[in-house]
Amino acid sequence: DTEVTQTPKHLVMGMTNKKSLKCEQHMGHRAMYWYKQKAKKPPELMFVYSYEKLSINESVPSRFSPECPNSSLLNLHLHALQPEDSALYLCASSRSTGGGNYGYTFGSGTRLTVV
Amino acid sequence: GEDVEQSLFLSVREGDSSVINCTYTDSSSTYLYWYKQEPGAGLQLLTYIFSNMDMKQDQRLTVLLNKKDKHLSLRIADTQTGDSAIYFCAETTFNKFYFGSGTKLNVKP
Repeated sequence: DTEVTQTPKHLVMGMTNKKSLKCEQHMGHRAMYWYKQKAKKPPELMFVYSYEKLSINESVPSRFSPECPNSSLLNLHLHALQPEDSALYLCASSRSTGGGNYGYTFGSGTRLTVV
Repeated sequence: GEDVEQSLFLSVREGDSSVINCTYTDSSSTYLYWYKQEPGAGLQLLTYIFSNMDMKQDQRLTVLLNKKDKHLSLRIADTQTGDSAIYFCAETTFNKFYFGSGTKLNVKP
C-alpha cells in the first residue's frame, strides 16, 4: 500500500457544525501532516505530527484541532469554521520529517466548503 | 525557506520540450523536489534531486540544479496533453516543506 487515503472527498458544512476530516496511511511512515490549499495557491503547512506527537503548529486557529490516534491515522476536527476556511485540505506522510529521497506522499484531499 | 519562486504560466505545443524554473532560498536544503498537481487532485511526487548532484534524468524528465545561483529547473521532453497541470518545486528547511508558487503548464494539441 503506497497511498494516503483521505475521507470524505467533499464536505459542505455550516458555520455552527462540527465535522472531522480523516487521513490514513499504511506505509509505516512516522510523520504526518495537514496542509491547506486555496485555489491557485501552493499548499500551506498547518500541522506536523512526528511519532504521533504534535511537533509543529503553524499558528493555526483553534477552530482546527488535529488528532493522531495511532501511527496510521490522522484526524482534523473542525468546529465553528468561517467561509474563508473553504479550501482543499491535504494530508501527507513521510518516513521522517525531513522528507528525504522519498519526499512526502500526499492524499487526494478533502474539498471543504463552509456555508 | 519561504520564498521559493516560480513563473506562473507556461504554454507549449504537444511534442515540444517544456522547461519550468524555480528559485529557492535555503542553500542548506538537502533535497529538492518537483510535484505535479492535476485539477482537483492531490500532489504527486515526480522526481527529486540530492543537493550534491547537478543533473538527474528520469525518462522524459530532466532536473538541473545550480547551487551557486539556487536555481532548479525541470525539463519535460516530448510534452503531452496529459502533462497539463500545475508543477510545484519544493525544498525542505528545518523539517518543513516549502512549496514554490506553482507553474501552470498548458499543452496545446
